[in-house]
Amino acid sequence: AQRVTQPEKLLSVFKGAPVELKCNYSYSGSPELFWYVQYSRQRLQLLLRHISRESIKGFTADLNKGETSFHLKKPFAQEEDSAMYYCALGRPGAGSYQLTFGKGTKLSVIP
Amino acid sequence: EAGVTQSPTHLIKTRGQQATLRCSPISGHTSVYWYQQALGLGLQFLLWYDEGEERNRGNFPPRFSGRQFPNYSSELNVNALELEDSALYLCASSLGGSRNTIYFGEGSWLTVV
Repeated sequence: AQRVTQPEKLLSVFKGAPVELKCNYSYSGSPELFWYVQYSRQRLQLLLRHISRESIKGFTADLNKGETSFHLKKPFAQEEDSAMYYCALGRPGAGSYQLTFGKGTKLSVIP
Repeated sequence: EAGVTQSPTHLIKTRGQQATLRCSPISGHTSVYWYQQALGLGLQFLLWYDEGEERNRGNFPPRFSGRQFPNYSSELNVNALELEDSALYLCASSLGGSRNTIYFGEGSWLTVV
């Protein structure tokens, strides 16, 4: 069964400090991993996906198959990064068709 | 370009009634997805429609059903409402192809009393 675990419900960091939002997944094959973000009063939107190997708004995430993790990192947090972050898993072939989401981590950046 | 639109924004129903939620995808998108976000449970996949057909459904009872119309809009029906059906229902759409980004609507809040 697919499962996504985000161990922290809330993460508070000071502006300028490094951020790491943890995500672990459970899946027997090679999944596709995504990070979604929801800013206050905005709709849920894609932040990045592992197959793109890109950096968006200074955030990166590396898929570690050995540790079954896809942690989201940013070296220097900004106040505008405060939001709800969801890690999501898509099955190979199904990709974004059917996502399994974690319960989310609320990031609060303290000025 | 208009995003995914959902209606109604809020809906209050009593236990045992039926609820119908509606979704209009982004123009040109053929796939529509429904997710349930219940308190404490996170986002859970409900249904996926593509080209008018139900392609997959999540682990929900049959009283959760829906359809996709020829214009690709979709509706979600929940029959015999139970208190635990109270949740935010999110619709999303995408172009065909599993590598395409899905775009979410703002959701419909369903409260069952």
